[in-house]
Amino acid sequence: DQQVKQNSPSLSVQEGRISILNCDYTNSMFDYFLWYKKYPAEGPTFLISISSIKDKNEDGRFTVFLNKSAKHLSLHIVPSQPGDSAVYFCAVKETGRRALTFGSGTRLQVQP
Amino acid sequence: DSGVTQTPKHLITATGQRVTLRCSPRSGDLSVYWYQQSLDQGLQFLIQYYNGEERAKGNILERFSAQQFPDLHSELNLSSLELGDSALYFCASSVESNTGNTIYFGEGSWLTVV
Repeated sequence: DQQVKQNSPSLSVQEGRISILNCDYTNSMFDYFLWYKKYPAEGPTFLISISSIKDKNEDGRFTVFLNKSAKHLSLHIVPSQPGDSAVYFCAVKETGRRALTFGSGTRLQVQP
Repeated sequence: DSGVTQTPKHLITATGQRVTLRCSPRSGDLSVYWYQQSLDQGLQFLIQYYNGEERAKGNILERFSAQQFPDLHSELNLSSLELGDSALYFCASSVESNTGNTIYFGEGSWLTVV
């Protein structure tokens, strides 16, 4: 039973446009949400996070939105750049636990 | 460079064999995590150690075991290997505090079972 789902395995956008990556979760006990970026043959790299007490967190070109009522998390990248091409994983942390549960990932391709 | 070091980077072994993957966490991090990424799956949490003790267990097979040593490095032991164990195994580490939930990953160990 997948507690975290990224329903789009891939996404292609044009350079300069907005990339929107989505993530749905089922457990209301998750209290922290993160996005990781992964290039081929490298470990996942932390990108941005948000606590369950917030609904938006922004860091430069990256913004994460949290809709707790819908149990939905999204990552917006604007403007998208070719260097953003990677696999993006959403991850969630349950209250009282440290280990993260990851979604299956979305491969983003930013076309020049 | 995340500061988490994993060895070996690549490993090819035969079915039925046993391998050990090693991980050195970031300096000061007490928690170590092991994750498995198969070709058709996302990152699967296997196990977490904190300061030498097992803290949490995920989808870790009974054929797999891990430990964390007094110097905080960790080893993941995979035995009776099967073809389906071929995957990328990540180690990650984090500080243990009430704030900061970021986990930092190593570059992974590619295991191929033939």
